[in-house]
Order: sequence, then C-alpha cells, then structure tokens
Amino acid sequence: GAVVSQHPSWVICKSGTSVKIECRSLDFQATTMFWYRQFPKQSLMLMATSNEGSKATYEQGVEKDKFLINHASLTLSTLTVTSAHPEDSSFYICSARDRAGGNTIYFGEGSWLTVV
Amino acid sequence: GENVEQHPSTLSVQEGDSAVIKCTYSDSASNYFPWYKQELGKRPQLIIDIRSNVGEKKDQRIAVTLNKTAKHFSLHITETQPEDSAVYFCAASMGGSARQLTFGSGTQLTVLP
Repeated sequence: GAVVSQHPSWVICKSGTSVKIECRSLDFQATTMFWYRQFPKQSLMLMATSNEGSKATYEQGVEKDKFLINHASLTLSTLTVTSAHPEDSSFYICSARDRAGGNTIYFGEGSWLTVV
Repeated sequence: GENVEQHPSTLSVQEGDSAVIKCTYSDSASNYFPWYKQELGKRPQLIIDIRSNVGEKKDQRIAVTLNKTAKHFSLHITETQPEDSAVYFCAASMGGSARQLTFGSGTQLTVLP
C-alpha cells in the first residue's frame, strides 16, 4: 500500500518553544491531509483538514494560531505547535488521502510530543 | 456532524474463538466505513473497509457487515490469534471527496493464548 512518513517520531521540547511535525506522502500525491491528536487509551480526534495550496480547516475548539498547518506541496503538510505547554503533550498523527488510489486514507507513524 | 459509537470498549476472547465489534453511525449520508487496527504507539493500519453499496465484505479471517437501514456496521474476526490483540477503531466518512473520517472510541481486543 501507499506510504505516509511522519517526522519526528519523538520530540521533547521546553515549554514556550515551537515544534514542527512533518507529514509526507512518499509515493502518491495527497491534495488532502488530516491531522489528529490522540491521548493515551483514547480515540483519534481530528484537529484539522489540510488542503494543498489553501488554508487548513480547523475543527471546533482547535486554536488555529497555536496549531499552524501548512500544506505547501502535494506531498508535504506540516503541523507547528507554537508556544507549547505541557498540556500539548500528546501523540500527533497525520493521514493522507490517496485520491488516485480510490480515496483510501493512509496514516503516518505518528509523533510523540512531550513538553517539559 | 457525524457521530460514531463503538462497542464494546474492551473484549477478551480465547485464541481460536471469534470476536465481533459493533459500530453505529448517525449520518445517513456516510458511505465509507473503514476499520483500523492500532498497536500501542503505532499508526492505525487499515484492515478492511466497506462502501455503502455493499452489505458484506470478507478478507480471509476478517469480515465486515453493513446495515444501512439500521446505520450500523460490524467487524468480525474468526479464528483469533494472539497477534490480533490491539485496539480496533471503526470510522465513517460523511461522503464526498474529502474523506474526513469520524472515528469510534476504539475497542481493546485481547486474545488469550
């Protein structure tokens, strides 16, 4: 199947700093990517839908100025957690839609963010 | 918006037995229903999916059934093995090309050897 790569897998940052997470579709073009947040033993909660070349669509309750999303190319979307705080610590995971492949959704490996 | 409910939250079965996980959805416009398997700290892996024009789909030990009238769909795993132990998520898409998925709350499946 198609491959979605997410980087970094683990990141520890100090409170108040910003962290960027990358999501790449390696062998298909993804006009749409999705960013999720998952707390331990909980489901995936959609944060935002990232559309190539346009602004992301954020879910209710997600601060767009805190979670900056950029989808500058058909294979790359980035999530930047700005001014991170300990409560932002979580598992962040992206997914990408393979439009040419029947619109199947593929997930990245996920990124563990710990804010200290 | 779409709401997906999933039951049970935990399920333990003996190796070789069958496991069934059920989900209901709220929006009749949903037409795509994938199931994902997620091991701790790893990405969800698509294991099977079904579209609304099909009532049942099977792939070896895994099958999914869909009842559009009742708005529920189920995952069936037969001849369970210890490596089937994981969290399973159902999801529903409201349709269209966006493929925005709404996930169920997950089921922790434990297969006892």
